[in-house]
Amino acid sequence: DVKVTQSSRYLVKRTGEKVFLECVQDMDHENMFWYRQDPGLGLRLIYFSYDVKMKEKGDIPEGYSVSREKKERFSLILESASTNQTSMYLCASSLGTFTQYFGPGTRLTVL
Amino acid sequence: EDQVTQSPEALRLQEGESSSLNCSYTVSGLRGLFWYRQDPGKGPEFLFTLYSAGEEKEKERLKATLTKKESFLHITAPKPEDSATYLCAVQAGGGNQFYFGTGTSLTVIP
Repeated sequence: DVKVTQSSRYLVKRTGEKVFLECVQDMDHENMFWYRQDPGLGLRLIYFSYDVKMKEKGDIPEGYSVSREKKERFSLILESASTNQTSMYLCASSLGTFTQYFGPGTRLTVL
Repeated sequence: EDQVTQSPEALRLQEGESSSLNCSYTVSGLRGLFWYRQDPGKGPEFLFTLYSAGEEKEKERLKATLTKKESFLHITAPKPEDSATYLCAVQAGGGNQFYFGTGTSLTVIP
């Protein structure tokens, strides 16, 4: 079974803090994705990566950056957290152009 | 602009009352349509992938079908444990991106 894990289930940070969200997959998938999910807006793609050290902007990259130093690990960074970044963050991975498998999510609250 | 629309937004069913959820899409070059189940506070769980019109997939009480413009998720004799939000996503064009609908929240009442 594909396993995607995320570093935290719940996280509370203060405005202006630098926040790291980490995602690890164990199936040697080349593609990894970061989404945020908000009520009424569905899942929106922040960034994705199709190879180590490669990244592509999604639909809402502003205020975020990513890092992929190893194939199994994809990090989302909020350089200076703001209250409008309070959300559920979901990581996913896929092999080629096939099904994306999701992690359990991180509920981030920025105060 | 590529779009994925799910209806209804919310659905309440009595246990055993069969129904269908709809996912309509307007994309160029559909490469795959995906159904996920999401429980509150958790990540989406993969259910089905459909690749071409006419294709059908089944799993327990769920059956997914695909036409050129929409997909249906049929739920037969649902149970309370089927209560969840069901998400639809499409993959189109040449990239790896998925386009998600906003989901249907299903509640099955005992």
